[in-house]
Amino acid sequence: EPEVTQTPSHQVTQMGQEVILRCVPISNHLYFYWYRQILGQKVEFLVSFYNNEISEKSEIFDDQFSVERPDGSNFTLKIRSTKLEDSAMYFCASSTQGARGSQYFGPGTRLLVL
Amino acid sequence: EDQVTQSPEALRLQEGESSSLNCSYTVSGLRGLFWYRQDPGKGPEFLFTLYSAGEEKEKERLKATLTKKESFLHITAPKPEDSATYLCAVQDVEKLTFGTGTRLTIIP
Repeated sequence: EPEVTQTPSHQVTQMGQEVILRCVPISNHLYFYWYRQILGQKVEFLVSFYNNEISEKSEIFDDQFSVERPDGSNFTLKIRSTKLEDSAMYFCASSTQGARGSQYFGPGTRLLVL
Repeated sequence: EDQVTQSPEALRLQEGESSSLNCSYTVSGLRGLFWYRQDPGKGPEFLFTLYSAGEEKEKERLKATLTKKESFLHITAPKPEDSATYLCAVQDVEKLTFGTGTRLTIIP
């Protein structure tokens, strides 16, 4: 069964450093998402991406964040200058359609900012 | 603002003891209501999508139902491997808004 994959599974970085989280969505999916989950809290939406453009983003997704689909298979989330409060699990998800589409999540990247 | 409230926060059941988890929601325009299972340290695993009041879906020991204000996840004769956190989410346009989940423990 096709799955969303994410790398790395864990990342430790120093405050102020840039990190790039990588995702390979399910191959026939066209809609891509990033969510995050701070330890013990809800899963929160960050951004949705379709046709090489951001289609929706949350208040969390400020100028420090960016997304890119650099090739036909990868989808990345970049945090330019990490803060302590960016420590969380980051999940990538993908879907065959936007509205009303079932979103399938990857296993996550655990980011720890020191 | 979309809101999702799940209850109870935690539920402990004996193996074989059936029960229901509740998800109440407010959303400006519901595109879909989603149920996920999440194991510790893992990503949410998709279970069901419900689109309109009255709809029901089943998978093994799980059955999800939807009304205009809430959804229920019924678990029948659960087994220890059903232990997990069950998340409910509503979709408005594309984004999913999640509840805090119900942590279900099935005792052998």
